[in-house]
Amino acid sequence: DARVTQTPRHKVTEMGQEVTMRCQPILGHNTVFWYRQTMMQGLELLAYFRNRAPLDDSGMPKDRFSAEMPDATLATLKIQPSEPRDSAVYFCASGLVQGQGNTEAFFGQGTRLTVV
Amino acid sequence: GNSVTQMEGPVTLSEEAFLTINCTYTATGYPSLFWYVQYPGEGLQLLLKATKADDKGSNKGFEATYRKETTSFHLEKGSVQVSDSAVYFCARFSGGYNKLIFGAGTRLAVHP
Repeated sequence: DARVTQTPRHKVTEMGQEVTMRCQPILGHNTVFWYRQTMMQGLELLAYFRNRAPLDDSGMPKDRFSAEMPDATLATLKIQPSEPRDSAVYFCASGLVQGQGNTEAFFGQGTRLTVV
Repeated sequence: GNSVTQMEGPVTLSEEAFLTINCTYTATGYPSLFWYVQYPGEGLQLLLKATKADDKGSNKGFEATYRKETTSFHLEKGSVQVSDSAVYFCARFSGGYNKLIFGAGTRLAVHP
């Protein structure tokens, strides 16, 4: 049963600490998305990759956030230094996007981050 | 720019009531449209989709018709159940079909 796996599921950290969230996309998918979900802002697209290359990370605060895909089985989202306003649920999703973009995106269960 | 707008919630209904959640889109061209559902504590999952005008997507009793003339993709269900309580998101691809963007989400609460 193919699924997107995110780790950790929960993370509590102190302000100023580095946080790394990991995502294993579904094998064979060519696109990986990172979203942040909060009550106030809803679901925001932070960054996405196609064939491991970053296509757009304009949704990310550049000074503290970074996203990478070191290989096809791993995507990472890093926050350094973390701040309380970064507290949210972070979702990774993957899909096989071709042509007209009518494919399904599969979501992981998310990482719930709390920065105190 | 290209976007989706959906009705604000929360929506509270009694079991077996009729459900409509409105979604409209702005676009150049005719993007594929999606409804995703998020149950408590979980990630989003695809509920249904439509890839061209006049298509009807359906799943689990939910339906949505891609209406080009009104640029809408409203979600409907004839008789909701308590288990349908969740947050529903309208979505489309944008930016040269590269990025998947979502509406604000509509929370549905169904009580017995």
